[in-house]
Amino acid sequence: DAGVIQSPRHEVTEMGQEVTLRCKPISGHDYLFWYRQTMMRGLELLIYFNNNVPIDDSGMPEDRFSAKMPNASFSTLKIQPSEPRDSAVYFCASRLAGGGYNEQFFGPGTRLTVL
Amino acid sequence: QKEVEQNSGPLSVPEGAIASLNCTYSDRVSQSFFWYRQYSGKSPELIMSIYSNGDKEDGRFTAQLNKASQYVSLLIRDSQPSDSATYLCAVSSISNFGNEKLTFGTGTRLTIIP
Repeated sequence: DAGVIQSPRHEVTEMGQEVTLRCKPISGHDYLFWYRQTMMRGLELLIYFNNNVPIDDSGMPEDRFSAKMPNASFSTLKIQPSEPRDSAVYFCASRLAGGGYNEQFFGPGTRLTVL
Repeated sequence: QKEVEQNSGPLSVPEGAIASLNCTYSDRVSQSFFWYRQYSGKSPELIMSIYSNGDKEDGRFTAQLNKASQYVSLLIRDSQPSDSATYLCAVSSISNFGNEKLTFGTGTRLTIIP
C-alpha cells in the first residue's frame, strides 16, 4: 500500500483565496483524522471521521474551515477565505477500527502558506 | 494550562549517551500514552506506547510512566545521530463529545552530537 496520500504537498496562496487540501487514506482504514501543526501550538486535531461520518469537529478553528469525506477513499479540508494565520502544515492520518488508537498512520502533510 | 507539556529544547546529547525526554499531562483520567518521532519536514511516526505504570522497553527505547505524578518519559540508550529529531508526547483523553482523542505536546527537539 502507498500509505496515506496528501495533495498538494505545498500550497502558497493569497489571503482571501479558497484553499482545498486533499487526502486519500490507507485502503481499508475506517478512521480519518485531520491535524494542523504549527511551532506555537504543536499538532492539533481538527476533525475526524469514522466510516465517512464526522465524529468530532470541535478542533475546527472557525466557520472558515470545513471538511468532507464523500467516500471511504477521499477527504477534503477546505479553508474559505484563507488568512495568514492559517499558515501551517496540515496532516491527514488514518487507522483501522480494530487497531489501537495510537496506530495512526500519517500522510506526508501539506505545507500551506497564506500571504 | 497546556494539556500536554514538553520542554521544547533543543536537547543536545553526545553520541552513545542516554537521551532523556520528559512530558507532563493535566488530565488525570488519561489512560494511554505515546511517543512519536518526527524528522524535520516529515510526518510523525509512532515509536512507543505505554499504558500502565512502570517501564516499557523496546530495543534502545524505554518509556516510563508515573500516573500519580502525571509524568511520562522516554529514554534513548546509546544515542545515534539518526535519533536526531523532534519527539512528540501524545496522551489519550476523553473529549467533550465523549469520544477518545489524542492530545500532542509541542515536542522536544533532540540533537545527537557525533
